[in-house]
Parts: sequence; C-alpha cells; structure tokens
Amino acid sequence: DGGITQSPKYLFRKEGQNVTLSCEQNLNHDAMYWYRQDPGQGLRLIYYSQIVNDFQKGDIAEGYSVSREKKESFPLTVTSAQKNPTAFYLCASSIGRGQASGYTFGSGTRLTVV
Amino acid sequence: GQQLNQSPQSMFIQEGEDVSMNCTSSSIFNTWLWYKQDPGEGPVLLIALYKAGELTSNGRLTAQFGTTRKDSFLNISASIPSDVGIYFCAGHGYGQNFVFGPGTRLSVLP
Repeated sequence: DGGITQSPKYLFRKEGQNVTLSCEQNLNHDAMYWYRQDPGQGLRLIYYSQIVNDFQKGDIAEGYSVSREKKESFPLTVTSAQKNPTAFYLCASSIGRGQASGYTFGSGTRLTVV
Repeated sequence: GQQLNQSPQSMFIQEGEDVSMNCTSSSIFNTWLWYKQDPGEGPVLLIALYKAGELTSNGRLTAQFGTTRKDSFLNISASIPSDVGIYFCAGHGYGQNFVFGPGTRLSVLP
C-alpha cells in the first residue's frame, strides 16, 4: 500500500544537538511538506518542496533545514538554533502544491529535548 | 499569514449525540477539507469540498462549503466513542498551500 513513513516515532535530543527526522513516500507525489504541531495549536508550516532539488521556507523555518535529493524523500533537520524544538512533527505529501485533493500525512515524530 | 478559526475549541458530548463544528476564514477559499487526528497519529482526510454551497457526506459525517466561501461546517450524527480526536479544517486559495485551523477537540462520554 502507498503511504508516507516517518521515522523515528519518538526522538530525544540533547540541547545543542542537531537531529534529522526521516520522511519517505511511495505515492509518487511531487510536493512534500513539514509541519510542526504544538498542544492546542494548529499545524504550522516549516518547509515545503514542490519538486526535487527545490524547497521553500514556510511560516516557521528558522532553526530548521531540509533537503530534497529524491522525489520520495524529504528529511528535516532540527538544528541547535531551534530554541524550542519539543513538538510533534508531521510530514505530508500531495500530487502537486495546493492540490485540491489535499495532503496525505505521515504518523508523525514526537521530538523531546532532554 | 492567513488564519482560520475553529469553533468550539473543545467539546464533551454523550455517546449518541449529534455534533456540530465550524471553521471561518478572513479570506475566500476555493477548497475546504476536514481532517481527523487520533492521539499520536497524523491527520486523516474525512471530507473534501470544492464548490460554494456544496454539501457532502461520508457515513455519519456531513460537511458544507459555506456560500460566502469563507466558512465551512462539519456535523457528526449519533456520535460513538471512536469519534474522539481533533478535527481540523483546512482551506486554500488557487495555487496556494493549505492553511489549517487550530482544531476542535472532541471527547465522547459513554
């Protein structure tokens, strides 16, 4: 079955460390997205990519970085510059940017700073 | 950026009751989506709406695209315990990314 796989499910980071969250899709979707979810808040867009080797900043890109070397993969690195990284991170994909059919989401990665 | 408001923020209902929630925007949208998120999981698409005034059902769920194109409504009939979760609306204008609301948290009491 096609879908989006995020790993790991839970991740613990020490202060000052960079960590990378994995997102892989086999839906043959062109566009991929990273969202951050905090308790009681909606989804906030971190980065998105419409095609391979291209990505754009979302609303809260500071302290994060991404790459899109393959169509299937869109890893997110949470850098030490991100001062409050503890959150639930969701990866999504769509056929194309702004596609009316909406996004397919992964099951998320919960990142905790220890 | 664009913002969506969802109402209510949370609700507690008895099993078997009907549920109504809504989503409003300051901008006109071309598409409205409703998602449900179970605890610790990613959101799952419930219903998609593409035309002002459109009314679409998915089992016990019914959603409407508001005639002003600035709002949308979701109703759940005869709620059951597995309806528990957070319901998100999302909207977008042509060629834009989707904007998500803050969610309505639904709790169902047996």
